Amino acid sequence: GAGVSQTPSNKVTEKGKYVELRCDPISGHTALYWYRQSLGQGPEFLIYFQGTGAADDSGLPNDRFFAVRPEGSVSTLKIQRTERGDSAVYLCASSNGLAGETGELFFGEGSRLTVL
Amino acid sequence: AQRVTQPEKLLSVFKGAPVELKCNYSYSGSPELFWYVQYSRQRLQLLLRHISRESIKGFTADLNKGETSFHLKKPFAQEEDSAMYYCALNLWTDKLIFGTGTRLQVFP
Repeated sequence: GAGVSQTPSNKVTEKGKYVELRCDPISGHTALYWYRQSLGQGPEFLIYFQGTGAADDSGLPNDRFFAVRPEGSVSTLKIQRTERGDSAVYLCASSNGLAGETGELFFGEGSRLTVL
Repeated sequence: AQRVTQPEKLLSVFKGAPVELKCNYSYSGSPELFWYVQYSRQRLQLLLRHISRESIKGFTADLNKGETSFHLKKPFAQEEDSAMYYCALNLWTDKLIFGTGTRLQVFP
């Protein structure tokens, strides 16, 4: 596809359940980012991958959150024992270099997570 | 701490009126700033970056280091400018820090 693809677009789950959110970046983009956007807020950085490795995971709120990118392309954000406060839109973005070099992130449409 | 502040949640103007969306940042180093825009039912996308000194869709933004501001301006607003606008700060690392956003409504 031409843009960043995220699935599912909507996910409703119960408190305590496990959730996986998937991101398929633009082909050839080496950098991949996860952001979280709560209602009325701007995107909040979670984690950044350069290739297969997590170069910066300082934004992950706690150890219930984990992300992988095993082959340097598709990434999965995993949330264990979900809590109501995890409800948000999870945005994925990719770029062809460091945000520090280009500043242009290409965003997906997001996955809206609702924890009941 | 590094921070981006957008004081207005909502800015409403009539078509043809000038627009200024405010952005202030807190950062001790040399900043790089951006404006991102999200139109209705579309994904977040880059509008402009200060380092390019460009005008996109009639919008400009000047970095004022003395006032630590990067306000977005357009002399004559159009209805199609209605959107959510986010100011973002790059710390010359690997992540952007976004403000809380300003919704611009342009009435006919």
